[in-house]
Amino acid sequence: QVQVVESGGGVVQPGTSLRLSCTAYGFTIRNYGMQWVRQAPGKGLEWVALIWSDGSKINYADSVRGRFTISRDKSINTLYLQMNSLRAEDTAVYYCARDLSFGSHEYWGQGTQVTVSS
Amino acid sequence: QSALTQPPSASGSPGQSVSISCTGTSSDIGTYDYVSWYQHHPGKAPKLMIYEVTKRPSGVPDRFSGSKSGNTASLTVSGLQAEDEADYYCTSYVRSNNIVIFGGGTKLTVL
Repeated sequence: QVQVVESGGGVVQPGTSLRLSCTAYGFTIRNYGMQWVRQAPGKGLEWVALIWSDGSKINYADSVRGRFTISRDKSINTLYLQMNSLRAEDTAVYYCARDLSFGSHEYWGQGTQVTVSS
Repeated sequence: QSALTQPPSASGSPGQSVSISCTGTSSDIGTYDYVSWYQHHPGKAPKLMIYEVTKRPSGVPDRFSGSKSGNTASLTVSGLQAEDEADYYCTSYVRSNNIVIFGGGTKLTVL
């Protein structure tokens, strides 16, 4: 059964770092494009980052570029989102998702909560 | 890249049809057929309902359909059911920039 499970969220102070993990079950992440999407409290969904299946292309939303890094460890079938220099506005539920085709996210996790607060 | 424009709300009675619009620009929706629609019930994982403008993933009822004209895409839900009440989001993948743009979301209410 295809499933993705996020972990690593928590409460952190502004300026600190956090690494989110997304473990894939039922498929191999190297065969699929993967994305991170977030939803801030009371707001809509916001795309954060993507990585192509072959890893040749990676990109980020302007709001996180230079602070967040998407990566993957194929040996343990896990996608990561390294988040540095966190800000209050990064507070959100973070979802990882597997692509069906360009820009379409077929399988989503339940999300992991990140709260940035002093 | 600016967010796609969706109406904040839409509504219809059970059995009726409702359409939700998603307006972009000639740089995103107007150029690429990579428009997707998601259904999101609060507290749950979003669900892909339509991809590549008109395609339905396996398991999505054919009551849900998508279309595009110029810079505007639309999601139509026919034969509204109570369980269709949710937030709906459109997205456009802009291949030239390798980015995904979300719409602001539309809250669909089944009266």
